[in-house]
Amino acid sequence: AQSVAQPEDQVNVAEGNPLTVKCTYSVSGNPYLFWYVQYPNRGLQFLLKYITGDNLVKGSYGFEAEFNKSQTSFHLKKPSALVSDSALYFCAVRDMNNNAGNMLTFGGGTRLMVKP
Amino acid sequence: GAGVSQTPSNKVTEKGKYVELRCDPISGHTALYWYRQSLGQGPEFLIYFQGTGAADDSGLPNDRFFAVRPEGSVSTLKIQRTERGDSAVYLCASSPSAGGLDTGELFFGEGSRLTVL
Repeated sequence: AQSVAQPEDQVNVAEGNPLTVKCTYSVSGNPYLFWYVQYPNRGLQFLLKYITGDNLVKGSYGFEAEFNKSQTSFHLKKPSALVSDSALYFCAVRDMNNNAGNMLTFGGGTRLMVKP
Repeated sequence: GAGVSQTPSNKVTEKGKYVELRCDPISGHTALYWYRQSLGQGPEFLIYFQGTGAADDSGLPNDRFFAVRPEGSVSTLKIQRTERGDSAVYLCASSPSAGGLDTGELFFGEGSRLTVL
């Protein structure tokens, strides 16, 4: 079975400061890893993904994430936070060995609050 | 359409009633997924279709829940004898294909918020 843990319910950061939202995962095979963002009353929007290759992946809105196989982590980062980044962030994993298509398993989410 | 469309956006019903939620995926996407998101939680997988067939329904919580996709496009999630615990946002997502070498992300609709009184 595959699982995702987001240990922080909420992350608070001041505008202009760097931010990190943590994610760890568990899969039996090689992981495909994703970050999604959810704004109030909206669906999930794709931010970035790691499939293979460079451990540092860059995505939308200046976000990036670093895949660390030894620590089974995929933390989301941004060098300089904006107030408009305030939203709910979800990490998700797909097990390459899973036959359920692109079925993703999501973490519980982390609320990011960026204060001016 | 340009994106995944879900209707209704909001549904309020009484305990014991029957509910249908509709999902219209991105044109040409063969894979369709239903997820349920309870307040304060991440989305939980319900069922996945590849074409017209349900390839994996292991996430359906019980036999009151059923989903169809008769023509391989629009899907309907059906909930019988609704209970208050069914209250959640039901998310639909689609992708161009499924499994194999496709590593693409899922494209989500805005969800149908179900409230069972």
